[in-house]
Amino acid sequence: DAGITQSPRHKVTETGTPVTLRCHQTENHRYMYWYRQDPGHGLRLIHYSYGVKDTDKGEVSDGYSVSRSKTEDFLLTLESATSSQTSVYFCAIRELAASTDTQYFGPGTRLTVL
Amino acid sequence: SQQGEEDPQALSIQEGENATMNCSYKTSINNLQWYRQNSGRGLVHLILIRSNEREKHSGRLRVTLDTSKKSSSLLITASRAADTASYFCATDAKGAQKLVFGQGTRLTINP
Repeated sequence: DAGITQSPRHKVTETGTPVTLRCHQTENHRYMYWYRQDPGHGLRLIHYSYGVKDTDKGEVSDGYSVSRSKTEDFLLTLESATSSQTSVYFCAIRELAASTDTQYFGPGTRLTVL
Repeated sequence: SQQGEEDPQALSIQEGENATMNCSYKTSINNLQWYRQNSGRGLVHLILIRSNEREKHSGRLRVTLDTSKKSSSLLITASRAADTASYFCATDAKGAQKLVFGQGTRLTINP
C-alpha cells in the first residue's frame, strides 16, 4: 500500500457543509492524486499535486479544492458539499523511477452527502 | 472524456479458462498500465507496457499493445476464483503528469 492512509474512511454529511478529506503518505513521493469513483464512470481525476504547493486540476475539479503544504499530506476540500459529490474518493501516489511508473492507491473514503 | 475504454464491461467465465480484456485509447501515450480492484478496495497495479513495447508477460498475465490501433489487451491465463475483480486500463499521455483510467471490466470467475 506504499504507506498511504486516508481519513476519514467513511463520512456522512449534509448538503452545504464543508468537508475535508486527508491523504497521508510516509514515503516522500512527489506526485499525489485525488480521484472519485462512481458507478458507470470508472475512476476520474479531481486534482493532483507534483510538489509542495504545486497542484493542478483534473477532469472533474469543479466544487473541489486541494492543498499541499507539506510533502506527506494532500487535502481535498469540498467547500459546500452537494449530493452529486456522494462518491468513493481515492488518493494515490506515483512512484516514478527509471524502470517503473506506478500509482499506489489508498483504501478510499466513502462520502455520502444527504 | 475518458482516454481508455475497456471492452467488455463485464465478463463471466469458468475457473481454469482464459480471460481477455481489451482497452482502446485516443491519443499518443508514453505507457499503458493495467490495474485490478477488488470489491471495496483501492486499485492495485498489475503491469506496465511502454509505447515501444508490443508484448509483456508477468506470471499468468500477458499484455499486448498496438499503438497503430491505439489498443491493448490483457490476458489472464488459467483463471482462478481469486481473479474475480474489476480491471482497469490507464494511459499516461505524452507530456502529461497524470493517468487517465477507463471504466473497467468486471471479471467474474465461476468455480
